[in-house]
Amino acid sequence: AQSVTQLGSHVSVSEGALVLLRCNYSSSVPPYLFWYVQYPNQGLQLLLKYTSAATLVKGINGFEAEFKKSETSFHLTKPSAHMSDAAEYFCAVSDLYGNKLVFGAGTILRVKS
Amino acid sequence: GAVVSQHPSRVICKSGTSVKIECRSLDFQATTMFWYRQFPKQSLMLMATSNEGSKATYEQGVEKDKFLINHASLTLSTLTVTSAHPEDSSFYICMGTGGNTEAFFGQGTRLTVV
Repeated sequence: AQSVTQLGSHVSVSEGALVLLRCNYSSSVPPYLFWYVQYPNQGLQLLLKYTSAATLVKGINGFEAEFKKSETSFHLTKPSAHMSDAAEYFCAVSDLYGNKLVFGAGTILRVKS
Repeated sequence: GAVVSQHPSRVICKSGTSVKIECRSLDFQATTMFWYRQFPKQSLMLMATSNEGSKATYEQGVEKDKFLINHASLTLSTLTVTSAHPEDSSFYICMGTGGNTEAFFGQGTRLTVV
């Protein structure tokens, strides 16, 4: 079975500050890992994904995440937060090609001006 | 990227009526469609998985007779909430995949049952 734990249901940062959203996973098979962003009343948009290639994955909007097997983590970072980054972020794990994703509880990111 | 078009985006219905939600893959063939439900302040929970031309596979605790899924073609899957009740009010999202390709989400449907 696979599971995802996102530490912190709410994260607040100042505009221009570092964004760090934490995600830890549990998987009995080599995982595929994903970060999605959801704006209010919208579907999910893929930010980035790890599929067993490079451990440092770069995504859209300046986000990146690093897969650390030893820590079973896949934390999402962005060097400088922008107001438009305010949204809810979901970490997800799957076993193959992103099918049957298991989602974390989500982290709401607030960006203060 | 590829697009999954989901309609309606919002629907309000009376208790006891049925509501159909459609998801269409616009520029790829969605051999598999996943249906998720998201309650307020909660994460997405997988309801069922449907493969084109086959019966859907439902997750534990999801009533297959209440949530009817049809995936008759490679570009269209529907979810019908039958005899809806207020507790069915939720955000429903479909996710389509062509198999060994990236999966794409619909825009979601906000269902409110009054």
